[in-house]
Amino acid sequence: DGGITQSPKYLFRKEGQNVTLSCEQNLNHDAMYWYRQDPGQGLRLIYYSQIVNDFQKGDIAEGYSVSREKKESFPLTVTSAQKNPTAFYLCASSISGSTTDTQYFGPGTRLTVL
Amino acid sequence: GQQVMQIPQYQHVQEGEDFTTYCNSSTTLSNIQWYKQRPGGHPVFLIQLVKSGEVKKQKRLTFQFGEAKKNSSLHITATQTTDVGTYFCAGRGNYQLIWGAGTKLIIKP
Repeated sequence: DGGITQSPKYLFRKEGQNVTLSCEQNLNHDAMYWYRQDPGQGLRLIYYSQIVNDFQKGDIAEGYSVSREKKESFPLTVTSAQKNPTAFYLCASSISGSTTDTQYFGPGTRLTVL
Repeated sequence: GQQVMQIPQYQHVQEGEDFTTYCNSSTTLSNIQWYKQRPGGHPVFLIQLVKSGEVKKQKRLTFQFGEAKKNSSLHITATQTTDVGTYFCAGRGNYQLIWGAGTKLIIKP
């Protein structure tokens, strides 16, 4: 099956700990994205990558880091510097970064900081 | 910066009533996309509008893109329980999608 997988589905973290969220796609898409969704709100872009070994900050990149060493993988690290990390994190991909691409989403990871 | 405002935040309807959500942008959009997110799920692409004044239909769903390419709407005729979820518009700005906050469709029991 083609698609985007995210793991884990639920994640609990203690304050002060870094945590890495996984995102893998087998759609052969060049572009990948990370979004954050808070209850009752829309999606806010954290980071995006249009090609391997390159990525750009989105609107709320502070406290997060990413890497894009392989086309299929775009892991997101939530660092201890992120002030309010409890949220639903969505990874997406698109064929390229062009203006008419649609985005395909993974099932999401719900992160809770205890 | 570029913003897309989406209203209303919630809409409660009886099953069989119509539902409409509206999106307005502060700037001209090159295109607009619509997504649906079921409760507990992830956004799923519905449609994309590109041309000024474009109207597209998918069964009971009608999507419109304004003449100035600054606003868009989604209208659902005769809602069903399967329509429950949050509907998002996402406009293409200078380099990335700009998401509206979504409209949650709730069917009254």
